[in-house]
Amino acid sequence: SYVLTQPPSVSVAPGKTAWISCGGSNIGTKSVHWYQQRPGQAPVLVIYYDTDRPSGIPERFSGSNSGNTANLTISRVEAGDEADYYCQVWDTSGDHSWVFGGGTKLTVL
Amino acid sequence: EVQLLESGGGLVQPGGSLRLSCEASGFTFSSYVMSWVRQAPGKGLEWVSGIVSGGGATYYADSVKGRFTISRDNSKNTLFLQMHNLRAEDTAIYFCAKSRDLVPSFFQDWGQGTLVTVSS
Repeated sequence: SYVLTQPPSVSVAPGKTAWISCGGSNIGTKSVHWYQQRPGQAPVLVIYYDTDRPSGIPERFSGSNSGNTANLTISRVEAGDEADYYCQVWDTSGDHSWVFGGGTKLTVL
Repeated sequence: EVQLLESGGGLVQPGGSLRLSCEASGFTFSSYVMSWVRQAPGKGLEWVSGIVSGGGATYYADSVKGRFTISRDNSKNTLFLQMHNLRAEDTAIYFCAKSRDLVPSFFQDWGQGTLVTVSS
C-alpha cells in the first residue's frame, strides 16, 4: 500500500515561514490534499489538489508537489497556526484507498 | 451549510459489535462520496472506509476489511458503519467525512466525531 511520510514536528518563530513536507513514491503524479487539526477539533481542509485553497483559508497557506515530495508552506506564521497538519492522497493502486500521512505537529515558538 | 452528525459510539467489549450512523444535511447527500476516518487517542488520522454516491462501490482499509461494513441510505441522508469483532486497537474517534467531488478525492467537510472505546 502507498505510504506518505511526514516529519513528526516542525517549529517556527512567529512571522517566519514554515515548510511541512510529505514524501511518497512519485507523489508528484498524484493529487495531494492538506488538513489542519487543532486539539479537540475535527480536521479542516487547507489545501486541495496540490495548490488550491478553500474559501476562508488565508493566502498565507500554499502548497506544491513535485517528484517524491509535496510541501505545505505557511508564510508569516501566527500563533493560531499551531496545530497538527496531515497530507492525504487517493491511491488508485491495488484496492484503491485514501491515504494519510502520519501528521506533523507545528509548534509556534 | 453542510452538517454531519455522527452517533452510535460507546463502550463495547472486545469481540463485540457496534453500528455508527452519520446524519447529513445541507447538501444533496445522494450525490457525494462519503467516508469514515478514525483517530486513536493521541494518534494521527486513519482512513477506514468509503462508499460512492449510489453505494455501488465500497472501499476498506486493510485493518478493518472483513470486520466493518459501510453502507448508506440515500432516502434518509444517512451513512452507516457496521463494526463487528471489535478489537482494542479500534478504539478511536470516528469521523464522518464528505468528499467535495463526485469521485474519490479529498474530504471537504467533517463531522465532530463519535468515540468508540473497545475494552473489557
